[in-house]
Amino acid sequence: GQQVMQIPQYQHVQEGEDFTTYCNSSTTLSNIQWYKQRPGGHPVFLIQLVKSGEVKKQKRLTFQFGEAKKNSSLHITATQTTDVGTYFCAGREGAGSYQLTFGKGTKLSVIP
Amino acid sequence: EAGVTQFPSHSVIEKGQTVTLRCDPISGHDNLYWYRRVMGKEIKFLLHFVKESKQDESGMPNNRFLAERTGGTYSTLKVQPAELEDSGVYFCASSPRVNEKLFFGSGTQLSVL
Repeated sequence: GQQVMQIPQYQHVQEGEDFTTYCNSSTTLSNIQWYKQRPGGHPVFLIQLVKSGEVKKQKRLTFQFGEAKKNSSLHITATQTTDVGTYFCAGREGAGSYQLTFGKGTKLSVIP
Repeated sequence: EAGVTQFPSHSVIEKGQTVTLRCDPISGHDNLYWYRRVMGKEIKFLLHFVKESKQDESGMPNNRFLAERTGGTYSTLKVQPAELEDSGVYFCASSPRVNEKLFFGSGTQLSVL
């Protein structure tokens, strides 16, 4: 079945440093979503990417979808303590499949 | 607008017992999903309802798990009998249409001892 690999599993950064998490799917995706889960919280939707090579920005966050629609990345510029949490990518395989396959997540710690 | 509500937030039971988890989706959301996260692993899909119908239950681990959504409103997920490996956080999520973003509930932390 479809698998989504996400790395790194953990990342500790100094406040102000940049952070990137990467996702790779074993199959071509129709779209990919990103979620953030704060400590003790639940996953909250950040963004959905649909088009090959798509790049979207939300303030300090930049999301990319690969040309082959099999990989994606989330880059945070100049991290802040409010960025702490676990970031998950989640991919949908085909147009007729509605289940999301999640990566294991990247847990981000920001040292003030 | 109320979010997705799950009850209970925590449940501790012994192996062999029965537990029922409940999820109230956002009003008007036809699509309801159950996911589970076992500690240290990824969030895994269990099943998907469209209104009261099971659209996809391919992620249900075995026949000890039974999900229902009578009337297309709230949903229940029953585990009977519970086993140790069933421990984890059970998330419910809803969306107005398929292929859109999911709104997650706070989850039920299930511990089977």
